[in-house]
Amino acid sequence: GENVEQHPSTLSVQEGDSAVIKCTYSDSASNYFPWYKQELGKGPQLIIDIRSNVGEKKDQRIAVTLNKTAKHFSLHITETQPEDSAVYFCAATGEGGNNRLAFGKGNQVVVIP
Amino acid sequence: NAGVMQNPRHLVRRRGQEARLRCSPMKGHSHVYWYRQLPEEGLKFMVYLQKENIIDESGMPKERFSAEFPKEGPSILRIQQVVRGDSAAYFCASSPGGSSTEAFFGQGTRLTVV
Repeated sequence: GENVEQHPSTLSVQEGDSAVIKCTYSDSASNYFPWYKQELGKGPQLIIDIRSNVGEKKDQRIAVTLNKTAKHFSLHITETQPEDSAVYFCAATGEGGNNRLAFGKGNQVVVIP
Repeated sequence: NAGVMQNPRHLVRRRGQEARLRCSPMKGHSHVYWYRQLPEEGLKFMVYLQKENIIDESGMPKERFSAEFPKEGPSILRIQQVVRGDSAAYFCASSPGGSSTEAFFGQGTRLTVV
């Protein structure tokens, strides 16, 4: 099945700086890659996603890039703010076309004021 | 438009008891997914259901776990004879289905087995 890995596991950044989280996936048939933000005690919140026919997508301070050849995709957060502190999960569609998601283990992002 | 609703938010069960977790999808969504999250881990797929049908249960343990999504009412994840290892956060997600792949999660049920 699909295997998704995230690096680094923890990332600390100064407020105002950029944060980048990278994920790799194993299944070349995967075609949908969402990113979720999870705050303590809450459910994952979909923040941005990208499909395999697109190389980059941007939404205000958040962007995602996809490299299908290398099978990796990255989340970019610019001008970080304290409220960006959370755990971020990447995911990819699994096999079989049933839209089930294979998740990475998550990145703890800490924005230092 | 309410989001995905899960209840209870917290559930404590003694070993050997049954746990029932409920999930009401977003309005207009007919696809439900259950995931389990252990501390400091990512979410692991358990089961995918549509109304009255189990589509994929490849992530469900073979024993003690079952899920349903009846024609009327919420989806239910049922764990019989719970053990300490079942302690985790259980999340439900829903999607409209069809060509749409976006999945939206509920706040989860945190199960503690004592």
